[in-house]
Amino acid sequence: DSGVTQTPKHLITATGQRVTLRCSPRSGDLSVYWYQQSLDQGLQFLIQYYNGEERAKGNILERFSAQQFPDLHSELNLSSLELGDSALYFCASSVAPTRSTDTQYFGPGTRLTVL
Amino acid sequence: EDQVTQSPEALRLQEGESSSLNCSYTVSGLRGLFWYRQDPGKGPEFLFTLYSAGEEKEKERLKATLTKKESFLHITAPKPEDSATYLCAVQGGTSGSRLTFGEGTQLTVNP
Repeated sequence: DSGVTQTPKHLITATGQRVTLRCSPRSGDLSVYWYQQSLDQGLQFLIQYYNGEERAKGNILERFSAQQFPDLHSELNLSSLELGDSALYFCASSVAPTRSTDTQYFGPGTRLTVL
Repeated sequence: EDQVTQSPEALRLQEGESSSLNCSYTVSGLRGLFWYRQDPGKGPEFLFTLYSAGEEKEKERLKATLTKKESFLHITAPKPEDSATYLCAVQGGTSGSRLTFGEGTQLTVNP
């Protein structure tokens, strides 16, 4: 158990809908990362937050957004869902990105199925 | 742009048959190279961080090594419970703290 929690574990929804994925980082970690893992693209970085502020963006679609709250939990919002958004979504956390090397610990993931 | 290539894509071993997995990388200013283990439908589990060429780390039957262009994950006398996908990732100097992952090596160890 990495100490990172994610809910829900599974999510099944229809095209055009909006969903919210939730992540709680390990105790003491200030940075949260979101990754998408699909069969054809492997693990891809989406976005990073540090202590409530957006720090970096990767290949995140405009239909997707995220935020980190004062208690450091984070939410990933996916809207206008398409079939191709079906994937595993992972949250990872680390102590702080200011260290020279920043080890990230991953949560169990949310499996999103868009029908 | 950081790039990571892992080989082979899949590897089948008999229990006790040692082997190595390869991770080749291109990165500007390596800050760290990471190995993770991932079981089907689960999140990646952290194994090792390597920081500089020549560094080695061990954990049970696993040993990770690093050169300036690649990393190896050596598996000694594997057991069926070592079956998983092993992922390699890099953290580069110009890409912040994001991890760039390879496609992984799917390892199957038969009893």
